[in-house]
Amino acid sequence: SQKIEQNSEALNIQEGKTATLTCNYTNYSPAYLQWYRQDPGRGPVFLLLIRENEKEKRKERLKVTFDTTLKQSLFHITASQPADSATYLCAADTGGFKTIFGAGTRLFVKA
Amino acid sequence: ETGVTQTPRHLVMGMTNKKSLKCEQHLGHNAMYWYKQSAKKPLELMFVYSLEERVENNSVPSRFSPECPNSSHLFLHLHTLQPEDSALYLCASSQRDRGAYGYTFGSGTRLTVV
Repeated sequence: SQKIEQNSEALNIQEGKTATLTCNYTNYSPAYLQWYRQDPGRGPVFLLLIRENEKEKRKERLKVTFDTTLKQSLFHITASQPADSATYLCAADTGGFKTIFGAGTRLFVKA
Repeated sequence: ETGVTQTPRHLVMGMTNKKSLKCEQHLGHNAMYWYKQSAKKPLELMFVYSLEERVENNSVPSRFSPECPNSSHLFLHLHTLQPEDSALYLCASSQRDRGAYGYTFGSGTRLTVV
């Protein structure tokens, strides 16, 4: 069955460092991957979408890569700040209206 | 505000109650979704409406009943729920092409079934 996994349940980093979150998918080839930020008690907020023919996408301090050979997407936050602390969700399309979400990685940025 | 408004934000209901969750968007999107989010689990898609027609029903128990009267409004009617139905219920919307430009989520309704 189609699966999407975010390797780390939680990630702790120091302020100013680059946070790297991993998303792996198995048993299918999504046309695009999405990344969301979710704060406690709130809905996810869309950050970036990357298509299968794009290797990399950037938005301010955020960068997403899509490696169709490794079946993996990496999400980077450079110069991380305590305000970046949140849960980050990876999501992949399955060709229909059904998008599969990962369980998320909780990022903690220490000052 | 994301442009998708959900009410109520919190709901406590007994197992014999009937209640409804409401979702409203004025983004011009024509697909709307209900998701369930339980602690430490991925978002689970429940229902999808595209142009007011239900296009996805993800094996959801009949005690959950969706309604989409127009492209701006979506309801989730609840009756005789179980304690395991306690979760964050999220509404989302997108352009009809399946979220190829991302989904806009509401803040959710935190449901507790007692």
